[in-house]
Amino acid sequence: SQTIHQWPATLVQPVGSPLSLECTVEGTSNPNLYWYRQAAGRGLQLLFYSVGIGQISSEVPQNLSASRPQDRQFILSSKKLLLSDSGFYLCATKTGTRGYGYTFGSGTRLTVV
Amino acid sequence: EDQVTQSPEALRLQEGESSSLNCSYTVSGLRGLFWYRQDPGKGPEFLFTLYSAGEEKEKERLKATLTKKESFLHITAPKPEDSATYLCAVQGGVTGGGNKLTFGTGTQLKVEL
Repeated sequence: SQTIHQWPATLVQPVGSPLSLECTVEGTSNPNLYWYRQAAGRGLQLLFYSVGIGQISSEVPQNLSASRPQDRQFILSSKKLLLSDSGFYLCATKTGTRGYGYTFGSGTRLTVV
Repeated sequence: EDQVTQSPEALRLQEGESSSLNCSYTVSGLRGLFWYRQDPGKGPEFLFTLYSAGEEKEKERLKATLTKKESFLHITAPKPEDSATYLCAVQGGVTGGGNKLTFGTGTQLKVEL
């Protein structure tokens, strides 16, 4: 079965500082990978997805970027954080073929101060 | 653009008091409708996938049903451990997009003794 590792679990960063969140996947190869953000009182918003190494698609123009340097590694970055970047960041991968759900990581709570 | 609306936003039940959560959706060619459970500070946990109108799935005290415009999550005789946020998501038939899911904002369920 697939397992997603995300770290750190919580992060408090000052405005203007850089960000790097990492996600790794076990138990599958060539997975579709996703970064979602969940703000208070809002649904999960898709930020980026990747169907392969070096292939990144952005869903929402923003202060963030993503990279996929290895098959099972997905990184979310920012050069300068904004207050509006605060939220709960979730990495996910497609589970199986038809009838797939997503398998989610445990998330990173980011607070920009 | 795919859209998902969940109601109510919050629901408080007494233990044993059955109820239903609603998920209304608009999508171009439904490929799947998904229900997830999310506990505070954790990633969503997959519950069900429904593919076509008339389909039903059950798991313990939960039963999910699907029509052409909405899905219901029925909770029978709930217990305090059923307290969580329940998320609904759809995958549309538009090609590309990395098989992304569009989520609703969720229903926060609290079951009291």
